[in-house]
Amino acid sequence: GQQLNQSPQSMFIQEGEDVSMNCTSSSIFNTWLWYKQDPGEGPVLLIALYKAGELTSNGRLTAQFGITRKDSFLNISASIPSDVGIYFCAGRLTAGKSTFGDGTTLTVKP
Amino acid sequence: DAGVTQSPTHLIKTRGQHVTLRCSPISGHKSVSWYQQVLGQGPQFIFQYYEKEERGRGNFPDRFSARQFPNYSSELNVNALLLGDSALYLCASSLAYSSYNSPLHFGNGTRLTVT
Repeated sequence: GQQLNQSPQSMFIQEGEDVSMNCTSSSIFNTWLWYKQDPGEGPVLLIALYKAGELTSNGRLTAQFGITRKDSFLNISASIPSDVGIYFCAGRLTAGKSTFGDGTTLTVKP
Repeated sequence: DAGVTQSPTHLIKTRGQHVTLRCSPISGHKSVSWYQQVLGQGPQFIFQYYEKEERGRGNFPDRFSARQFPNYSSELNVNALLLGDSALYLCASSLAYSSYNSPLHFGNGTRLTVT
């Protein structure tokens, strides 16, 4: 089946630093999605990417859909304490079925 | 506007029992998907339903079943519960089955503990 490799598994950074995380796959996807999950809650959509090569921003977040359609990265600039959480990438072929990575746990030290 | 709502929020069951989890999608969304999230891992796809029909199934045993109702709400049923079924069960809705710009929106899940 399709597998996503998400890295790094965890990050410990100082407030104000930039963060970068990425996802790679052996399979091609039509859409890449990035979600954030806080404890006790479901994943919340941060950014959706629909075209190979697409670069999209949402505030301090920037994500790119890789040219090969097999990878994506997410950058967070000038991190703040509320950025703490687990970030998931997901690749999608149909609207309802997404394949998720195992997440990057982000800790921000004030 | 209400998001995806799931009930119950927490549930404790004994091995061998049966469980039913419920989900109401965002108003106007016709597709509902179910995911299982084991602690420390990403969500794993179980089912997708669209217009009351199953449109996709993940690698889960036949003990797992689901259905979608005319109002687009959905139920996930799990029979003969095993300890390994303990997980957060997430429901997600999207506008359509195949629309490329129709991302999943998740509920807060049902935390199932099997003892």
